[in-house]
Amino acid sequence: KNQVEQSPQSLIILEGKNCTLQCNYTVSPFSNLRWYKQDTGRGPVSLTIMTFSENTKSNGRYTATLDADTKQSSLHITASQLSDSASYICVVSDMDSNYQLIWGAGTKLIIKP
Amino acid sequence: DTGVSQDPRHKITKRGQNVTFRCDPISEHNRLYWYRQTLGQGPEFLTYFQNEAQLEKSRLLSDRFSAERPKGSFSTLEIQRTEQGDSAMYLCASSLAVSTDEQYFGPGTRLTVT
Repeated sequence: KNQVEQSPQSLIILEGKNCTLQCNYTVSPFSNLRWYKQDTGRGPVSLTIMTFSENTKSNGRYTATLDADTKQSSLHITASQLSDSASYICVVSDMDSNYQLIWGAGTKLIIKP
Repeated sequence: DTGVSQDPRHKITKRGQNVTFRCDPISEHNRLYWYRQTLGQGPEFLTYFQNEAQLEKSRLLSDRFSAERPKGSFSTLEIQRTEQGDSAMYLCASSLAVSTDEQYFGPGTRLTVT
C-alpha cells in the first residue's frame, strides 16, 4: 500500500529557532512531492512542489529537499516565527493511480515566544 | 485567501438529516476536488471533476454521498442520512489541468453530526 509517513508527529520550538520536518514515502513511481501548511481550521496552502528530478526548492524561509533514491523529503524552516505554528503535510502524487495525491498525517508545529 | 470559497463554514446537524455543501472554485480552474479530513489526519480524497464530468470517486464515498458540478463551475456535495462518523472537515480544492496540477484549497466546511 502506498504510504506517506511524517515525523515527528508534533514539535515545539522557540521563536527564532530553525527546525526540520521529515517525510518518508513508499509511493513509486511518483510524479511530484508537495509540502502544504495548514493552519488550524483552515484549508491547506501549498508551500513547495518538487518533481522527481528536483533536489531542493525554496519558498522564503521554507526549504524542501528531496532524495528520490531513499524516498525521503524534508522541510526546513529557518528563523521560525509565531505564524509558522501550523500543521505541515507532505503529499506525494501517485503516477500509478491517475496522479492521485497520497497525504501524510502531518507534523504539528508549535512556535513558542 | 486562495480564491476558493466554501459555504457554509460550519454545519451542525442531527443524525439522519441530509446536508449539502457548496464549493466555488477559482474561475478559470477546470478541476475540482472534494476531500474529507478528520482531526490529526491528512485530507482523504473523495472525488474529483474535470469540468462537469465526475472522473473519479474514492471507495470512501458511500452511496449516501453524492457530488455534482452541473455547469463545470461550482460544485455541491450532499450527504444523505448523516451519521456521527460523517463529522469531519470537508475541503474543496481546484486546479488547472497542467503537469503539476497544483491544488488551491478552500477554507473547508466543518460538519458536526449530533
